[in-house]
Amino acid sequence: DAGVTQSPTHLIKTRGQQVTLRCSPKSGHDTVSWYQQALGQGPQFIFQYYEEEERQRGNFPDRFSGHQFPNYSSELNVNALLLGDSALYLCASSWGIDRGRETQYFGPGTRLLVL
Amino acid sequence: AQSVTQLDSHVSVSEGTPVLLRCNYSSSYSPSLFWYVQHPNKGLQLLLKYTSAATLVKGINGFEAEFKKSETSFHLTKPSAHMSDAAEYFCVVSGWDMDTGRRALTFGSGTRLQVQP
Repeated sequence: DAGVTQSPTHLIKTRGQQVTLRCSPKSGHDTVSWYQQALGQGPQFIFQYYEEEERQRGNFPDRFSGHQFPNYSSELNVNALLLGDSALYLCASSWGIDRGRETQYFGPGTRLLVL
Repeated sequence: AQSVTQLDSHVSVSEGTPVLLRCNYSSSYSPSLFWYVQHPNKGLQLLLKYTSAATLVKGINGFEAEFKKSETSFHLTKPSAHMSDAAEYFCVVSGWDMDTGRRALTFGSGTRLQVQP
């Protein structure tokens, strides 16, 4: 049983470019959340997708957008990249939305470097 | 606003001695609380969670945490540290953020645990 997978593992972009990160949830999970983890800090919640809709969103600008597909996989898109977007992007999957009590399973992350 | 404070950014213990990682939280509604561990170049792994059942929660690898509402704390402990416990530990709160009116998941800034031989 594969856990949460993310691609690519590493990515280098330049300022102003756009990037798409991908996530496949753990088998049986239908909810995907995305987090940004800057170096030396804890992850910060970007948004959560359930039933192909964005259900919750953290304090991130509209440059950050996402999508969930019918097979529950998800993409995170970031437009007009800034140097400050350099971080580890983590995807987490869970089953359902249980008022915050659901356990989230994390992928290994995609490390994005913006030059 | 909801918040999590991990009181120590670094903790160093000797192998075989107890571990205490401290966490205080602020949440205006009955929160759920989690501890996650992150080993270098790996994703986050759930150690344990509290969701309004027993206040003493047992997790994997011998870790446990006690929810103390009066102290708004959720400290992580382990009786005897192993070398393999060396990692970054994150305390997480999930609850209603009254400022935004939405449920929010908030991570602490992390505690790096070093285990000396």
